Amino acid sequence: NAGVTQTPKFRILKIGQSMTLQCTQDMNHNYMYWYRQDPGMGLKLIYYSVGAGITDKGEVPNGYNVSRSTTEDFPLRLELAAPSQTSVYFCALGGINTEAFFGQGTRLTVV
Amino acid sequence: KNEVEQSPQNLTAQEGEFITINCSYSVGISALHWLQQHPGGGIVSLFMLSSGKKKHGRLIATINIQEKHSSLHITASHPRDSAVYICAVPKEGGSEKLVFGKGTKLTVNP
Repeated sequence: NAGVTQTPKFRILKIGQSMTLQCTQDMNHNYMYWYRQDPGMGLKLIYYSVGAGITDKGEVPNGYNVSRSTTEDFPLRLELAAPSQTSVYFCALGGINTEAFFGQGTRLTVV
Repeated sequence: KNEVEQSPQNLTAQEGEFITINCSYSVGISALHWLQQHPGGGIVSLFMLSSGKKKHGRLIATINIQEKHSSLHITASHPRDSAVYICAVPKEGGSEKLVFGKGTKLTVNP
């Protein structure tokens, strides 16, 4: 039982490049979330999903896209990377009334 | 929309001290989460509570729904407790989204 698996751990992108952050779970949770964490700031919600085929924007969705074709997978796509997207990204499971489980995080630098 | 305030932002303690971290929020909630983020960056859930008190080892979490306030206590603190502690509550009524405090950075010196 791996819980939440998030890859990669680290990545350096050049401005304008694209990439996909992978998030896979084996806990059969419906609710999945993508957050970014900037220094000195609380976690900010990028996108979330309440089940396969359903996604919705969070507070800071610009420059990102997601899909949820299966319960297990919730990839986050960055198109045309910008320095402002330099951050630490976390995938998480669980709704507001259930325990939260976080992936190990992805440290992304855009240069 | 819920606003979350944590205090203090930074806390330094000596090993063995009793630690209290506070969290206040502005809108009534169904549950509150306490999370721990270690220096390596990983985030783990410590508690989810909707009333009263919960205890796990040396950690105790309390919540006062009427006062919209929660506290996280650490008894007999240890250097391995050094981490950032984060409070999170539902963003608004009926929402499945959480809003997070900025965290309290705790350093416990030997």
